[in-house]
Amino acid sequence: NAGVTQTPKFQVLKTGQSMTLQCAQDMNHEYMSWYRQDPGMGLRLIHYSVGAGITDQGEVPNGYNVSRSTTEDFPLRLLSAAPSQTSVYFCASSYSHGRPQHFGDGTRLSIL
Amino acid sequence: EDQVTQSPEALRLQEGESSSLNCSYTVSGLRGLFWYRQDPGKGPEFLFTLYSAGEEKEKERLKATLTKKESFLHITAPKPEDSATYLCAVQAQETSGSRLTFGEGTQLTVNP
Repeated sequence: NAGVTQTPKFQVLKTGQSMTLQCAQDMNHEYMSWYRQDPGMGLRLIHYSVGAGITDQGEVPNGYNVSRSTTEDFPLRLLSAAPSQTSVYFCASSYSHGRPQHFGDGTRLSIL
Repeated sequence: EDQVTQSPEALRLQEGESSSLNCSYTVSGLRGLFWYRQDPGKGPEFLFTLYSAGEEKEKERLKATLTKKESFLHITAPKPEDSATYLCAVQAQETSGSRLTFGEGTQLTVNP
C-alpha cells in the first residue's frame, strides 16, 4: 500500500521555468491538498480539492495552478517559477472532513 | 483567522525524562485538532485526532489531551527514537475540504 506518492523528490529550476509536481494516492480519498513548508512559517495550504473536478484556493495560491481530473491524481503546476517559491512541497489526502490527512514525503524545490 | 502556537520551539531531554509539548489555538468552532510527527526529510506522520475538550488519546509513550484553548502532548520516559519535530494543526467547523492550520512545531531531541 503506497499511500501518497510525490514525484520528483528533488528539483532545481531557473527563474521563469515551469514545471508540474506530481501527487498520486491509492487510498480512494476524495480530499487532497497541497502545502508548502518553509522555515519559521510552518505548513501553509496552497490549493485543495474535495473531489474530481473540484478545486479551490488555500492560503498562498498565487503562482500555482491545480486540476483534479481523477480521484487518484492531484498535480501542482508552477507557471513561471520565482525564487520565493523555493520550498518543500507536500501533498496530502484524507477520507473526509475531520479525518486525518496522510502526507507524502515531499518535493524539495530550489529556484535559482 | 485560525491560529496555532506551539511551545517550546525546541526541547532537549535525557532518555527517560518525561515532559510536555504545548499547542495553543484559536479557531471559530473546532472540528478537530491533529498531532503529527515529522522526521527529517519526511512528510508529517499522523499521531492523534482530538475532537472535544476533555478528550485524551494514548499511543505507546505519547498521550494527547485537549481543552477549549490548548492541547498537550505528554511524552513519558522518552527514548532517542522519539526525537522528531511534533506538529499541531486545527480544522475549523466551517472549513471546506479538509483544510488544516498548522503551528510551527516543536523540535524534540532525546539524548541517550
